[in-house]
Amino acid sequence: AQSVAQPEDQVNVAEGNPLTVKCTYSVSGNPYLFWYVQYPNRGLQFLLKYITGDNLVKGSYGFEAEFNKSQTSFHLKKPSALVSDSALYFCAVRAVNSGGYQKVTFGIGTKLQVIP
Amino acid sequence: DAGVIQSPRHEVTEMGQEVTLRCKPISGHDYLFWYRQTMMRGLELLIYFNNNVPIDDSGMPEDRFSAKMPNASFSTLKIQPSEPRDSAVYFCASSLGGVNTGELFFGEGSRLTVL
Repeated sequence: AQSVAQPEDQVNVAEGNPLTVKCTYSVSGNPYLFWYVQYPNRGLQFLLKYITGDNLVKGSYGFEAEFNKSQTSFHLKKPSALVSDSALYFCAVRAVNSGGYQKVTFGIGTKLQVIP
Repeated sequence: DAGVIQSPRHEVTEMGQEVTLRCKPISGHDYLFWYRQTMMRGLELLIYFNNNVPIDDSGMPEDRFSAKMPNASFSTLKIQPSEPRDSAVYFCASSLGGVNTGELFFGEGSRLTVL
């Protein structure tokens, strides 16, 4: 079974400081990895993805993430946090199951609070 | 494309009533997912379809829940009878699969309150 762990319920960071939101995953085979952001009373919005290739992927709003196969991690990072980055962040893994179909599993989410 | 469209956005009902949530995926997408979001359990996968066929419904909590996808442009999630513990935000998402695998596109969600 595939799973995603986001070990921190909440991350607090001062505006202008770098931020990291952690994610580890467990899956059979090659994973497709994603980060999404959710603002209050909205659906999830796609930030970035890793499918194959370069382990460092860049996405929307200055976010990036690094795929580390040996540590099965896909941490989200940003060099300089903005107050407007405050939101709920979800990591997700998509993998092919035994039937050849693609299942998408989300982590529980991490609340990012950027302090002015 | 207008994106994934869900209706209703808000539903308040009484325990025991039937609830039907609706979803129109993005045209051309071959995967459709239904998720439920609560504070306690986060985002739970209920069921997903590939080319209108249900693939995995192991996340459906009880027989009171059912989902259908009669065609490529429409899906429903039905709860009958509803209970207070079903109160949550229900999301529908669609995507491409196979060699074109990409991200999920989410609707704005249906907030269900069962009194």
